[in-house]
Amino acid sequence: SSVLTQPPSVSVAPGKTATIPCGGDDIGSDSVHWYQQKPGQAPVLVIYYDSHRPSGTPERISGSNSGNTATLTISRVEAGDEADYYCQVWDSSSDLWVFGGGTKLTVL
Amino acid sequence: QVHLQESGPGLVKPSETLSLTCIVSNESISSSYWTWIRQSPGKGLDWIGYIHYSGTTNYNPSLKGRVSMSLDTSKNQFSLTLTSVTPADTAVYYCARDAGSSWGFDFWGQGAQVTVSS
Repeated sequence: SSVLTQPPSVSVAPGKTATIPCGGDDIGSDSVHWYQQKPGQAPVLVIYYDSHRPSGTPERISGSNSGNTATLTISRVEAGDEADYYCQVWDSSSDLWVFGGGTKLTVL
Repeated sequence: QVHLQESGPGLVKPSETLSLTCIVSNESISSSYWTWIRQSPGKGLDWIGYIHYSGTTNYNPSLKGRVSMSLDTSKNQFSLTLTSVTPADTAVYYCARDAGSSWGFDFWGQGAQVTVSS
């Protein structure tokens, strides 16, 4: 089954750009979804199908996916972006959903 | 806006059965896949399984046959049952709408804390 690898933490100064990678074998062939989870809250879908934003996701948040890495990019980072971020794919070979281990984004 | 709300006991004894229900509002459960996810304290997200209104289910093999799901169209709700629980099953349990492999989980419940302890 798929294994998705995320760094445990990423730190960024306000106003700068944060990039959160999600590594997986040929993940570029999959549809990758990203979730934002703030403390004590349920996860929220912020990117689906690699780069599409649900209504409510600001344009500052974008996604890309190619080769063995999918990336979530947050531009002009704000304090309110501080959260855990999870990537997710459907593993069609095993018929199950797989989440990455999550990345804690800290705004300095 | 689809709304989901989990309900069930917050405390379950070891070796007993955990049962949770997810009530869905503003959307018929006869239209989508519905899924359960859990999150152990301080850990990441673990997919438990999904159920489709047709009755089709798909469970994470890591739960080794302890899990089952059902749905009640008359009450517009679906349920999770996990047998032979241990303290390792202590987690926040979320229900969500599974919009498909190209769309992810677009609506989530607020989560239900379940503690396994004697």
